[in-house]
Amino acid sequence: AQKITQTQPGMFVQEKEAVTLDCTYDTSDQSYGLFWYKQPSSGEMIFLIYQGSYDEQNATEGRYSLNFQKARKSANLVISASQLGDSAMYFCAMRWDQAGTALIFGKGTTLSVSS
Amino acid sequence: DSGVTQTPKHLITATGQRVTLRCSPRSGDLSVYWYQQSLDQGLQFLIQYYNGEERAKGNILERFSAQQFPDLHSELNLSSLELGDSALYFCASSKGWAEGLFFGPGTRLTVL
Repeated sequence: AQKITQTQPGMFVQEKEAVTLDCTYDTSDQSYGLFWYKQPSSGEMIFLIYQGSYDEQNATEGRYSLNFQKARKSANLVISASQLGDSAMYFCAMRWDQAGTALIFGKGTTLSVSS
Repeated sequence: DSGVTQTPKHLITATGQRVTLRCSPRSGDLSVYWYQQSLDQGLQFLIQYYNGEERAKGNILERFSAQQFPDLHSELNLSSLELGDSALYFCASSKGWAEGLFFGPGTRLTVL
């Protein structure tokens, strides 16, 4: 069965440091997509970045990049130069061909950025 | 602002009652998804509609039902409510497979 695992319940970094949030996935499908979302304390879900299983280059969006290692089935989110506003819960998610277009989510990682 | 709207923002009700949550997707999006977020279960996919038809079902209880109307807005009906149904309910919409889901602000349901 398809599964998303985020093993870090909490991460603590200082401003301007880079941070990597881990995500591993399990699927036997060849075609799938990986996503990261941010949920600040206000509760909204904000889409950050997408990586397709056939994409050869790692996705980047501003300070966010996705370190995609297909053989290891990992899709880690890298945030460069952390800011106080990055403090939030971060969710990794996946959709795969057989599921249509719904996403399954990991349990999330809480990131705390201090000054 | 994702472009997805949900009403109401907060809902407080009693056990055994029935409530309806409403969602309007982004302009042009045909797919609507409902998710439940609780502390113990995380983010759970409930159900997806595409252009008025049910497309996929997740962990949706039999007491819950949904529909999507011709104008593409969607409603999630929760009945015989239990304390454990207290959660944040999200609606999301999407144009296609390679695009992320865009979430509404959520409806926080409290069952007393």
